[in-house]
Amino acid sequence: AQSVTQPDIHITVSEGASLELRCNYSYGATPYLFWYVQSPGQGLQLLLKYFSGDTLVQGIKGFEAEFKRSQSSFNLRKPSVHWSDAAEYFCAVGLTGGGNKLTFGTGTQLKVEL
Amino acid sequence: EPEVTQTPSHQVTQMGQEVILRCVPISNHLYFYWYRQILGQKVEFLVSFYNNEISEKSEIFDDQFSVERPDGSNFTLKIRSTKLEDSAMYFCASSITGPETQYFGPGTRLLVL
Repeated sequence: AQSVTQPDIHITVSEGASLELRCNYSYGATPYLFWYVQSPGQGLQLLLKYFSGDTLVQGIKGFEAEFKRSQSSFNLRKPSVHWSDAAEYFCAVGLTGGGNKLTFGTGTQLKVEL
Repeated sequence: EPEVTQTPSHQVTQMGQEVILRCVPISNHLYFYWYRQILGQKVEFLVSFYNNEISEKSEIFDDQFSVERPDGSNFTLKIRSTKLEDSAMYFCASSITGPETQYFGPGTRLLVL
């Protein structure tokens, strides 16, 4: 069964510092890969996704993620964090093909210090 | 920009009562999903729906749960007899062609007392 691991439950960074959130997946083939963000009391907003092609994908709000097949990783990065980035970040994987579920990681709670 | 909407935003119910959570997916989307997130835990898949039938369901989605697309716009999740452990945030999602473009609604927070 596919699985997603986000090893960092909580991360604290200073505003303006760089950020990297880790995500590893376990699946026989290359799945579709996603990062979602959830602000307190809010729904899930899609930040970016990887299906194929260029392994570095750009998303909204200045985020990017890099797919590394050899490491089964899809880490999320941002060069300079803003206080408004404080939220919970979820990595998710989906099977190739239509109509299939997403499997989420346990999430990483990001705190931004001013 | 089109978005998925859900009603109500919050619902409190007594154990054993039936609840219906409503979702309006994005209009040209064909695949519909329900997920839930128990407080402090990860988002879990419940069920996917395509072409007016369930295409996949998780072990969580037992006989107490049902889904329906009663008309061309709504997608509902019914819990027949709620349990305390059904308390969670329930998210509806929709996509055009499967997980590649799955968009989530704001969620319904269900509290079972």
